[in-house]
Amino acid sequence: EAGVAQSPRYKIIEKRQSVAFWCNPISGHATLYWYQQILGQGPKLLIQFQNNGVVDDSQLPKDRFSAERLKGVDSTLKIQPAKLEDSAVYLCASSLAPSNEQYFGPGTRLTVT
Amino acid sequence: QQQVKQSPQSLIVQKGGISIINCAYENTAFDYFPWYQQFPGKGPALLIAIRPDVSEKKEGRFTISFNKSAKQFSLHIMDSQPGDSATYFCAARDNQGGKLIFGQGTELSVKP
Repeated sequence: EAGVAQSPRYKIIEKRQSVAFWCNPISGHATLYWYQQILGQGPKLLIQFQNNGVVDDSQLPKDRFSAERLKGVDSTLKIQPAKLEDSAVYLCASSLAPSNEQYFGPGTRLTVT
Repeated sequence: QQQVKQSPQSLIVQKGGISIINCAYENTAFDYFPWYQQFPGKGPALLIAIRPDVSEKKEGRFTISFNKSAKQFSLHIMDSQPGDSATYFCAARDNQGGKLIFGQGTELSVKP
């Protein structure tokens, strides 16, 4: 069974630029999560989707971050404009349902200079 | 405020020794407590998990001890091996929507 796929794996941008990350969850997984993991910290949930609807985006900085999951499968996370403090690893995870185990992708390491 | 506090931040253990990582939580609205293992450049992977109605769970060399009244739980790694060297995260799942709250992580180094 293929795992959670993410791209790109690495991205370096300058502050005030925009960037987008892509996630393809495990086939059949209805729940998709985006986490931000700052160096030396645990992952922090940014947004949770159930199919193509948002369940929780309480910690998403909505003035600069946006995410979508239009067809209930793939998802994209966008940052516009980026700030230095956005440098982190962005992890995508998926699960069959909110009560099931979450499987994580390898993450995208973002460096904002 | 939902928080999970993890200690120690880093841990060095000799091969064959016991590694112990502790976590404490503040909110009682959690229904599931997983531990994740993360290697450099990889995403976290579920190692072992426990529900609050159980005081202990063992899988191979890994054991979770859970103290509901104290709101604390810990991971014990018996016979630690160099291959166990990784960062370990405890987490707690919100019983409303499945949101995971992670601890700050423990970087474990097992010396041969």
